[in-house]
Amino acid sequence: GDSVTQMEGPVTLSEEAFLTINCTYTATGYPSLFWYVQYPGEGLQLLLKATKADDKGSNKGFEATYRKETTSFHLEKGSVQVSDSAVYFCALNYGGSQGNLIFGKGTKLSVKP
Amino acid sequence: NAGVTQTPKFQVLKTGQSMTLQCAQDMNHEYMSWYRQDPGMGLRLIHYSVGAGITDQGEVPNGYNVSRSTTEDFPLRLLSAAPSQTSVYFCASSYSGGSSYNSPLHFGNGTRLTVT
Repeated sequence: GDSVTQMEGPVTLSEEAFLTINCTYTATGYPSLFWYVQYPGEGLQLLLKATKADDKGSNKGFEATYRKETTSFHLEKGSVQVSDSAVYFCALNYGGSQGNLIFGKGTKLSVKP
Repeated sequence: NAGVTQTPKFQVLKTGQSMTLQCAQDMNHEYMSWYRQDPGMGLRLIHYSVGAGITDQGEVPNGYNVSRSTTEDFPLRLLSAAPSQTSVYFCASSYSGGSSYNSPLHFGNGTRLTVT
């Protein structure tokens, strides 16, 4: 069945370092892909999304490109801040049931000053 | 705009007790869902609803009931709590329309449930 695999955490970086969180997916169709972020004590928030191959989603300095050939949607940011410390979830939306998302297990990011 | 509101924020139950987790949204979203979040497991879908009067099972429905009598509310009932149901529960909703396939989920802030 459809699934999402993302890199294990936790990831610890210094402020202004480059961030990559890997995400690959398995899907029979052409899913939409999402990155959600969860700050401590809160629910998840949509960070960015891409709905078709080669689309690039971007928000708050984060980017991810939908790569159909490698079935990947890696999250990147050029210069992280302490305020980016959170748990990041990659997800896909399969078309069989509207709104149902399959989430990866999450990657915890800690950014040190 | 309140978004998705979950109550209570915290709850402790004894094994065998029942309770209802409340979820309400004020965005007129047709789609609502419940997830549980466990360490190392990510989020798993419990039940979902695509509109008032319609519910369906997700990945881990056993031990939980839902109903959807109004568009705004989607309560989750634990019939007989078990320690395995200790988790953080999130309610989420999204717009249902022509582009619902691509609409993002709006999450509540969660209910942390402990079953002893």
